[in-house]
Amino acid sequence: AQSVTQLGSHVSVSEGALVLLRCNYSSSVPPYLFWYVQYPNQGLQLLLKYTTGATLVKGINGFEAEFKKSETSFHLTKPSAHMSDAAEYFCAVMTSGGYNKLIFGAGTRLAVHP
Amino acid sequence: GAGVSQSPSNKVTEKGKDVELRCDPISGHTALYWYRQSLGQGLEFLIYFQGNSAPDKSGLPSDRFSAERTGGSVSTLTIQRTQQEDSAVYLCASSFEPHRVSGELFFGEGSRLTVL
Repeated sequence: AQSVTQLGSHVSVSEGALVLLRCNYSSSVPPYLFWYVQYPNQGLQLLLKYTTGATLVKGINGFEAEFKKSETSFHLTKPSAHMSDAAEYFCAVMTSGGYNKLIFGAGTRLAVHP
Repeated sequence: GAGVSQSPSNKVTEKGKDVELRCDPISGHTALYWYRQSLGQGLEFLIYFQGNSAPDKSGLPSDRFSAERTGGSVSTLTIQRTQQEDSAVYLCASSFEPHRVSGELFFGEGSRLTVL
């Protein structure tokens, strides 16, 4: 069975600082990995995903994530935070090949201060 | 509409009452999911409908919870004899998955349920 652990339920950074949101997964088979973002009073939307191929994937709004199999991680980064990045971020995993549902982590709320 | 629509957006009910939450998925999407979002709990999978296949009900927390999807489109999540621990935001998502799960879900804004 797949599972996801997001380290840190709240992360606070200064505007312009590096954003690093941590995600570790557990899967007995090669996973597909996703990051979703939920802006205040909005539904979740897909930020980026890893399925196969290049392990560094780029998403919207300057975010990227790197799949590291040896570390079972899929951390989300952005070089320079913007005030508009304040939101809740969810990491998710599913079985590669599309034979199972999407399992989400508990989420990390990102605050960006001036 | 262009996106996933959920109603009601807010529902306050008394303990022991039944509630129905509705989801209108994006037209043409074959898959429909229900998740529950509780404070500090993340998104908890409840149920998954895919085309004409039997739904995956493995996430329903008790037999008080049920869901149906009529005509492959609109879905209703029903909670019978509500309890205070049922208070949460119930999220619906749809996806175009004609052959296999894609993971690319489109979410509605949710129905916030408060049980007094």
